[in-house]
Amino acid sequence: AQSVTQLDSQVPVFEEAPVELRCNYSSSVSVYLFWYVQYPNQGLQLLLKYLSGSTLVKGINGFEAEFNKSQTSFHLRKPSVHISDTAEYFCAVSDRDDKIIFGKGTRLHILP
Amino acid sequence: DTGVSQDPRHKITKRGQNVTFRCDPISEHNRLYWYRQTLGQGPEFLTYFQNEAQLEKSRLLSDRFSAERPKGSFSTLEIQRTEQGDSAMYLCASSLEAYNEQFFGPGTRLTVL
Repeated sequence: AQSVTQLDSQVPVFEEAPVELRCNYSSSVSVYLFWYVQYPNQGLQLLLKYLSGSTLVKGINGFEAEFNKSQTSFHLRKPSVHISDTAEYFCAVSDRDDKIIFGKGTRLHILP
Repeated sequence: DTGVSQDPRHKITKRGQNVTFRCDPISEHNRLYWYRQTLGQGPEFLTYFQNEAQLEKSRLLSDRFSAERPKGSFSTLEIQRTEQGDSAMYLCASSLEAYNEQFFGPGTRLTVL
């Protein structure tokens, strides 16, 4: 069975500072990995995805994530955050079955 | 706008009543998914359709829940005899085909009193 663990429920960070949101997954088969973002009062939006190939994946809004198979991790990073990045971020995994299993989310607070 | 739409956006009902939600996917998307999100949790998969065929149902989906996609376009999710534990955000998503990006709608927030 697949599962996703987001290690931090909330992450406060100062504006223009770097941020890393951590995600670990477990799966017995090859997986596809995703990060979704949910801005206040809005629907889920795909930030980036890893299907195969390069382990460093670049997404929208300056975010990137690195797939590490040996550590079963898919951490999300941004070198300099902006107040508009305030949102909840969900790591997710999918196998060939296509349904998505989401983590519990990490709320990113940007401090002025 | 040609995104995924859901109706209604909010629903308040009394325990024991039946409710029905509608999802209109992006046109030509043949896959449609339903998820449920409760406070402080990530979305949980409920069921999905390939065209009009319902291919999988989660064990989370009790007998009180039923979903249809009669013509392979819009879908409805019905909850019979609602319980307070059904209070959640119900999300719909669609994709063009398997393994493609799922596009999510804004959700229907259900409150059961």
